Amino acid sequence: EVQLVESGGGLVQPGGSLRLSCAASGFTFSSYSMNWVRQAPGKGLEWVSYISSSSSTIYYADSVKGRFTISRDNAKNSLYLQMNSLRDEDTAVYYCARAALRGAFDIWGQGTMVTVSS
Amino acid sequence: DIQMTQSPSSLSASVGDRVTITCRASQSISSFLNWYQQKPGKAPKLLIYAASSLQSGVPSRFSGSGSGTDFTLTISSLQPEDFATYYCQQSYSTPRTFGQGTRLEIK
Repeated sequence: EVQLVESGGGLVQPGGSLRLSCAASGFTFSSYSMNWVRQAPGKGLEWVSYISSSSSTIYYADSVKGRFTISRDNAKNSLYLQMNSLRDEDTAVYYCARAALRGAFDIWGQGTMVTVSS
Repeated sequence: DIQMTQSPSSLSASVGDRVTITCRASQSISSFLNWYQQKPGKAPKLLIYAASSLQSGVPSRFSGSGSGTDFTLTISSLQPEDFATYYCQQSYSTPRTFGQGTRLEIK
């Protein structure tokens, strides 16, 4: 079964750090670009970051640039998001998503909740 | 950045109705337009990619059309399981922006 499973969410104080992980299974992870997308409580979807299959190309949303770092380990079939200098407005469910045909996100994880609060 | 605007923001309809949701891009995105369905507490699900291609496993009552800046998602005959929130997204350029969502509710 093709699957993405996120982990690492939790409660963190403003200014703190958190590292999210996304474990892939059921497909050749190293062949696909990956993304992180977030959704604040009761709000819409916001794209966060993109990494190409070989990690050669990386993009970030302006809202997280300089604070978040996306990475991947193809040997471990895993995607990561290192989040530093967290703010209240980073509170959201974070999803990892596979990019497939024409850049559409065809496989999504179940999401992991990040709460930034003092 | 490319802005994506959906209309309407919410919609009430009945089972069996034909429903159309519109998405407009702030500049041409060719056919790099995708549609997702999201139910409460669940991850989004890809319905349509490249403006009009039906994702595998998605019922044929869902269809998409458009190119350039104007796109539509049509559900030909609403089923009870279709009541959800729908998002469009452009994959033409970075950032990969989403529309604000259309909440489809039961009338």
